[in-house]
Amino acid sequence: EAQVTQNPRYLITVTGKKLTVTCSQNMNHEYMSWYRQDPGLGLRQIYYSMNVEVTDKGDVPEGYKVSRKEKRNFPLILESPSPNQTSLYFCASSTLADTQYFGPGTRLTVL
Amino acid sequence: DQQVKQNSPSLSVQEGRISILNCDYTNSMFDYFLWYKKYPAEGPTFLISISSIKDKNEDGRFTVFLNKSAKHLSLHIVPSQPGDSAVYFCAASARSGAGSYQLTFGKGTKLSVIP
Repeated sequence: EAQVTQNPRYLITVTGKKLTVTCSQNMNHEYMSWYRQDPGLGLRQIYYSMNVEVTDKGDVPEGYKVSRKEKRNFPLILESPSPNQTSLYFCASSTLADTQYFGPGTRLTVL
Repeated sequence: DQQVKQNSPSLSVQEGRISILNCDYTNSMFDYFLWYKKYPAEGPTFLISISSIKDKNEDGRFTVFLNKSAKHLSLHIVPSQPGDSAVYFCAASARSGAGSYQLTFGKGTKLSVIP
């Protein structure tokens, strides 16, 4: 089954404790992206990657890092999480000429 | 600066009637537009898209209309069903430009279809 998976689905952590949210897709897609969804703000792009070892900032990259060492994986790293990063995070993937497929989301709470 | 705007945060429609969701954009470089549907606790799923070379695209009960001169698009759902109750996001991209696979999303419209 073609899908985008994210782990964990739910995470509660404390300020400053480094965390990684994993994203994996099994569709051989070149393009992968991370979004955050906040009430009243819709979906905002954090980082995206056009292919392995190619990443770029989206609209709200501050406080986040990503890496793309393999085509199927695109982890989101929060080196020192803060409460304003409490949000619902979505990973997405696509071919370079198609619509994006979204993962199920990761709800992160930073205390 | 919000490049994709969905000015109605919510919409209620009676089952069987037409639902019309609206979206405006400001960036003239956008040439591909999509609608995504999102249920609670799930990721957004693609619904329908339209290229700027067309002014209408139809898929079953869903039709998207594009008015380029007004920089406006709308999604029509006919007839509306209770299962259509979800948040609908409008998105746009500039496929001909650099970073052309980036999507810019609106804030979403929550549609409630009342049985």
